[in-house]
Amino acid sequence: NAGVMQNPRHLVRRRGQEARLRCSPMKGHSHVYWYRQLPEEGLKFMVYLQKENIIDESGMPKERFSAEFPKEGPSILRIQQVVRGDSAAYFCASSPGTGYATEAFFGQGTRLTVV
Amino acid sequence: AQTVTQSQPEMSVQEAETVTLSCTYDTSENNYYLFWYKQPPSRQMILVIRQEAYKQQNATENRFSVNFQKAAKSFSLKISDSQLGDTAMYFCAFMVFSGTYKYIFGTGTRLKVLA
Repeated sequence: NAGVMQNPRHLVRRRGQEARLRCSPMKGHSHVYWYRQLPEEGLKFMVYLQKENIIDESGMPKERFSAEFPKEGPSILRIQQVVRGDSAAYFCASSPGTGYATEAFFGQGTRLTVV
Repeated sequence: AQTVTQSQPEMSVQEAETVTLSCTYDTSENNYYLFWYKQPPSRQMILVIRQEAYKQQNATENRFSVNFQKAAKSFSLKISDSQLGDTAMYFCAFMVFSGTYKYIFGTGTRLKVLA
């Protein structure tokens, strides 16, 4: 059973471009979370999705950021018109979502650098 | 607000010795889970140990154990017989199911094991 797969591992974008980060959850997992880690900081919650539904996006910036988890295919975190402050590591985690407080498994992250 | 505080930004320990990383949290919930994650230079988030808040017995996982003080909202991690491979960032996190499985992370403690 492959773990949570994120790609690309590294992404460089110029200011104003769009960044698309992909996350394939573990097999059988229907819940996906996105977190952002700024340098020397912990992980900050961004959004929680189930298949075709955004459950909690309280950590998402109101503008330029969007996320989806379609019925087929990976979850996508999209950042439009990137700025230098978007440079960070973005982690995806997945869980089966059944039962109370199931463990989330993390991918290796995508390091976004905006130049 | 639910918060996690790790008051030790950096720590070091001699190989084979014992070290304790501190973590405090704040929540008004009664049922929740607590976690310690390890993040080595590879950036992979690795679950070290978890504790259910309703369990009084402290969790243990080989050389890793926790001291869970629910009334004090404290959740420290003890690493015994430290090894060079334990060098990493360690994040404390907790999760309360309040309609979503949202993990709240501390800012981390950078642990260096010295040969």
